[in-house]
Amino acid sequence: AQSVSQHNHHVILSEAASLELGCNYSYGGTVNLFWYVQYPGQHLQLLLKYFSGDPLVKGIKGFEAEFIKSKFSFNLRKPSVQWSDTAEYFCAVNAGGGTYKYIFGTGPRLKGLA
Amino acid sequence: GAVVSQHPSRVICKSGTSVKIECRSLDFQATTMFWYRQFPKQSLMLMATSNEGSKATYEQGVEKDKFLINHASLTLSTLTVTSAHPEDSSFYICSARAILGLAGGGYQETQYFGPGTRLLVL
Repeated sequence: AQSVSQHNHHVILSEAASLELGCNYSYGGTVNLFWYVQYPGQHLQLLLKYFSGDPLVKGIKGFEAEFIKSKFSFNLRKPSVQWSDTAEYFCAVNAGGGTYKYIFGTGPRLKGLA
Repeated sequence: GAVVSQHPSRVICKSGTSVKIECRSLDFQATTMFWYRQFPKQSLMLMATSNEGSKATYEQGVEKDKFLINHASLTLSTLTVTSAHPEDSSFYICSARAILGLAGGGYQETQYFGPGTRLLVL
């Protein structure tokens, strides 16, 4: 069965620090990968997604993620975080092939700045 | 971008009663919608896939008689928590599958999420 794991628990950063959140998945076939953000009291918003092509994906709000197929990873990065990035971040995988459903990271949710 | 709404946003009910949650795609049609459950401090757990005009597909461990799903139109799916108990208290989130045309041809599919419904069973 597919699974997605996120490694970080709670992340506390100062403004302007760099951020990297890990995401690994277990599925051997073609996958579509996503990072979502959930700001306090708000619904999930798509940060970025990877379907094919350039494995370095640029998203909104200065976020990017790199798909490394050999490592089954899709880590999220931001060079310089802001207070407004305080949120919870979810990695999700869709195995495609007509299943459509997303599997979200099984690890604890991640929080941004203190 | 596409908008998905949920109603109600929060509901408190007595143990043993049933609660219906609506999920609507406001500006697009969705043949497929999804229902998730989110426990405090945890990630989203997929409960079921709701297909317009057919039966929902439930994930392993989710009781279909407990969580009734109806996808009667291309813009509306409902989740009914039957005979709710305190352990059903949770945050329920729906999403709707959308198909986006690409500039160079072809398409991509994505999901748009609703704002969630917080259910508290007393």
